[in-house]
Amino acid sequence: QKEVEQDPGPLSVPEGAIVSLNCTYSNSAFQYFMWYRQYSRKGPELLMYTYSSGNKEDGRFTAQVDKSSKYISLFIRDSQPSDSATYLCAMSGGSYIPTFGRGTSLIVHP
Amino acid sequence: GAGVSQSPSNKVTEKGKDVELRCDPISGHTALYWYRQRLGQGLEFLIYFQGNSAPDKSGLPSDRFSAERTGESVSTLTIQRTQQEDSAVYLCASRVSGGQDQPQHFGDGTRLSIL
Repeated sequence: QKEVEQDPGPLSVPEGAIVSLNCTYSNSAFQYFMWYRQYSRKGPELLMYTYSSGNKEDGRFTAQVDKSSKYISLFIRDSQPSDSATYLCAMSGGSYIPTFGRGTSLIVHP
Repeated sequence: GAGVSQSPSNKVTEKGKDVELRCDPISGHTALYWYRQRLGQGLEFLIYFQGNSAPDKSGLPSDRFSAERTGESVSTLTIQRTQQEDSAVYLCASRVSGGQDQPQHFGDGTRLSIL
């Protein structure tokens, strides 16, 4: 079992939909949780960063962490075609080397 | 620019040649990472530098791979005697020192193609 599991997709949704992206993990030492967005031929861009259970909101994006279930989510409201990208979750704790999920490809069609 | 800068953005070379990739981290970031990303795959950790400490080389796939960093500045990743399986995007990330709670910031990578 990998330390971090993330469905690669692709996930295809219509414009305006609410998108839910998820990762599960097995390492209880993970304390810090990040979501990155990666456009084609670009590097990952930090979207959200949180270290506690619960929700953190930033504009149309909400990051949710449930440490008891070892489950994190990223919600995107009112999705736009410009949100089409690969979304990577990342986690750290107990090591200076974060662990990344393999990424979920999201396609938002007009 | 304030971001992580990588060069070249693209590199095409023949099998067996050596290549050198460069990363210029964000000013003031003492931690620097190299990753490899194969097409459709996640990030594969290669090496980690923190200030003047000995680097963590645990992710380097073979002795053909090496990296250097002088102090808290530029880093170079060198691949000797390249093989076709080395074709990938090589990403560099930097992070402010201060512990595991600081997120990484990435460059746009070097796209390496081995013919």
